[in-house]
Amino acid sequence: DAGVIQSPRHEVTEMGQEVTLRCKPISGHDYLFWYRQTMMRGLELLIYFNNNVPIDDSGMPEDRFSAKMPNASFSTLKIQPSEPRDSAVYFCASSSRVPNNSPLHFGNGTRLTVT
Amino acid sequence: SQKIEQNSEALNIQEGKTATLTCNYTNYSPAYLQWYRQDPGRGPVFLLLIRENEKEKRKERLKVTFDTTLKQSLFHITASQPADSATYLCGASSGNTPLVFGKGTRLSVIA
Repeated sequence: DAGVIQSPRHEVTEMGQEVTLRCKPISGHDYLFWYRQTMMRGLELLIYFNNNVPIDDSGMPEDRFSAKMPNASFSTLKIQPSEPRDSAVYFCASSSRVPNNSPLHFGNGTRLTVT
Repeated sequence: SQKIEQNSEALNIQEGKTATLTCNYTNYSPAYLQWYRQDPGRGPVFLLLIRENEKEKRKERLKVTFDTTLKQSLFHITASQPADSATYLCGASSGNTPLVFGKGTRLSVIA
């Protein structure tokens, strides 16, 4: 299996622009997670899905952030409009079972820089 | 609020020694703890999972303990090698909730 695939690996954009991050989870995994990592705050959960349905989006910082999972093999995280404080590494992860007792499989992340 | 703290931001250790990393949790009673390794520019990679009713878990040179009285997990790497240099993340979960992570400890093993 190719693992969790994220694109793009790097994204540089100007403040106010729309940014879309993409994720392809491992085939057969029922859970998909979006995390954000910064030096100050570490790895924070933004939102997670079970069988394509959003379960908890309480970590999404603002209405500027939205996430979708139109099918089992694809998810997007969109920021519109982007701001410099959104600069971070965004990780997608998937797991096969209830997330607390099964490993998370992470992608290699998208490094977002908003100038 | 629930908090996971990894006490050391960075830890330097001599090759061959045992590295011990600490994870403490507050306002929380996790049922599961997981440890991950993260290399620069890469996503975290799962290493070990331990349940609250397990005192200790081992995998090759790795050992994890879970002390619910002290609200602490210890992660040990025995006979450490320069290739073990990475950031190690502790994650905790209760019930069916997703993992909450600490900020990580950057381990450097010096030859």
